[in-house]
Amino acid sequence: AQRVTQPEKLLSVFKGAPVELKCNYSYSGSPELFWYVQYSRQRLQLLLRHISRESIKGFTADLNKGETSFHLKKPFAQEEDSAMYYCALSAHNFNKFYFGSGTKLNVKP
Amino acid sequence: SAVISQKPSRDICQRGTSLTIQCQVDSQVTMMFWYRQQPGQSLTLIATANQGSEATYESGFVIDKFPISRPNLTFSTLTVSNMSPEDSSIYLCSGLQRNTGELFFGEGSRLTVL
Repeated sequence: AQRVTQPEKLLSVFKGAPVELKCNYSYSGSPELFWYVQYSRQRLQLLLRHISRESIKGFTADLNKGETSFHLKKPFAQEEDSAMYYCALSAHNFNKFYFGSGTKLNVKP
Repeated sequence: SAVISQKPSRDICQRGTSLTIQCQVDSQVTMMFWYRQQPGQSLTLIATANQGSEATYESGFVIDKFPISRPNLTFSTLTVSNMSPEDSSIYLCSGLQRNTGELFFGEGSRLTVL
């Protein structure tokens, strides 16, 4: 069965520090992996997807099939990055999306 | 970007009653899904809303408790039936954008059952 695991409920870093939000998955096929973000009082929105291989707001994520991981990284955190981050997996040709439990990132000034 | 609007945004209901949540999407959306987000927890997929036919439910969710309709491509409803305090949650409508495969979300409906 498919599963997305985010081991950290809360991650606190100082502004300018590097940040890494962990995500591991289990899926028997070839998954599509995503990171979604929810800023305070806003709806959930897509941050990035692995097939795009792009950097959004300074964030990057690399799919490591050997370790079944899709960690989200940013070299220098900003206060405006404070939000809930959800890792998600799409299965069966986008027929379903499964979400991790989320990590709350708190960037301190 | 696909546009998804959902209502009500919040409601307080009495135990034993039912509430219907409406979701309107634009024509860029193909598939529609309903999620539940309980306090402090992740999003749990309730079902896929299928146009003109019965929804496809995930394990642990049944049609009698969460009847779903999707009479046309751009509209769906989720009813939470015979509510109990355990049903207090945020219910999210989402839609898959045609061509990009990106999942968009409504603002959510925060339901409190007393």
